[in-house]
Amino acid sequence: DAKTTQPNSMESNEEEPVHLPCNHSTISGTDYIHWYRQLPSQGPEYVIHGLTSNVNNRMASLAIAEDRKSSTLILHRATLRDAAVYYCIHDTNAGKSTFGDGTTLTVKP
Amino acid sequence: KAGVTQTPRYLIKTRGQQVTLSCSPISGHRSVSWYQQTPGQGLQFLFEYFSETQRNKGNFPGRFSGRQFSNSRSEMNVSTLELGDSALYLCASSLAGRGTDTQYFGPGTRLTVL
Repeated sequence: DAKTTQPNSMESNEEEPVHLPCNHSTISGTDYIHWYRQLPSQGPEYVIHGLTSNVNNRMASLAIAEDRKSSTLILHRATLRDAAVYYCIHDTNAGKSTFGDGTTLTVKP
Repeated sequence: KAGVTQTPRYLIKTRGQQVTLSCSPISGHRSVSWYQQTPGQGLQFLFEYFSETQRNKGNFPGRFSGRQFSNSRSEMNVSTLELGDSALYLCASSLAGRGTDTQYFGPGTRLTVL
């Protein structure tokens, strides 16, 4: 099964950039890398995804290592509303991956 | 466009009973995936349906089953409930499937087994 490894928790100050790392050593060549976040009492929310190249959207940027064994989610200016549990995940349509434990991001005012 | 809806939102059952949960995907989405979330195990994949066919299945016992209807709505059934089945059950829909496409999650059904 596809597995990802993330730090349990990270802290950031408001308005500062945040870099959330993820290791996905079992990734295969066709697996997309997805990031989701979950606020308390809500279902996960899509953040960003990519395959090989770095990706940007209005929420965040995704930097993917050249060997694709790791990725970094970048929040350019953290806000209090970004405090959540962040999950990275990879799997193909034939996979059975889990979300893992995720990283709890705390944003301090 | 309406989001993913799940019913009921809360449910209390006793051991040995069975339960059926419902998920209505976003209009036009053909893939529905189900997940179980518990404090101890995190988010675990149950199964995915695409155009009424089960495409993938996670590592759960046969007591957990599902189906998808022609309108893409999906149901999940758990028979012979155990205390450990208490969890938040989430469904997510996507256009092409969870591997390559964005998933949109519902708010979940909170199941408590007494």
